[in-house]
Amino acid sequence: DIVMTQSPGALSVSPGERATLSCRASQSVSSDLAWYQQRPGQAPRLLIYGVSTRATGIPARFSGSGSGTEFTLTISSLQSEDFAVYYCHQYYDWPLTFGQGTKVE
Amino acid sequence: HLLESGGGLVQPGGSLRLSCAASGFTFSNYAMTWLRQAPGKGLEWVSAISAGGGDSFYAGSVKGRFTISRDNSKNTLYVQMNSLRAEDTAVYYCAKNCGDGPGNYCPDYWGQGTLVTVSS
Repeated sequence: DIVMTQSPGALSVSPGERATLSCRASQSVSSDLAWYQQRPGQAPRLLIYGVSTRATGIPARFSGSGSGTEFTLTISSLQSEDFAVYYCHQYYDWPLTFGQGTKVE
Repeated sequence: HLLESGGGLVQPGGSLRLSCAASGFTFSNYAMTWLRQAPGKGLEWVSAISAGGGDSFYAGSVKGRFTISRDNSKNTLYVQMNSLRAEDTAVYYCAKNCGDGPGNYCPDYWGQGTLVTVSS
């Protein structure tokens, strides 16, 4: 199985600051990498797919980058509604797998 | 819109069938996925099925116990869960995928989930 490792586990930032979240795959996932946001008590929401393509309705302050095994989600200027848990997800190979999450607080 | 149903309390070793009613998109054009989240834990991919239903895929933790299926005439996704264990306790989400075929099994829209509790 492809292991997805996110860092850090938790990130403490202030509104308006930049947040950088990392995700590493145990082997190449090509460009089949997505990011999700989950607010407390809510279902996850797709932010980014294909490494860097924003999903419908996602603000431009969210951006994704990387290739192969190293990926980054950047939130350029944190808004209050961005404080949540973020997960990376590889859909390149079966079984599909998620990272353990990064809590932005 | 995706609406899961069928969750509840079941004893270890028991069975449960979850359903997911889809609307607002052409159901038969998209692969579909079940995912779950144990209380206080992260996301776990469970199973996926191709748009036509001919291909299905499973996590190792559920392989041989869960069966995913779909009825495109009813716009409904199912998962039959047998031999349930305490560690299967979770909120189960169904999700529409980005498309169909390789490279398109990214869940893009999720339901609100249904809670399955396995306990005696």
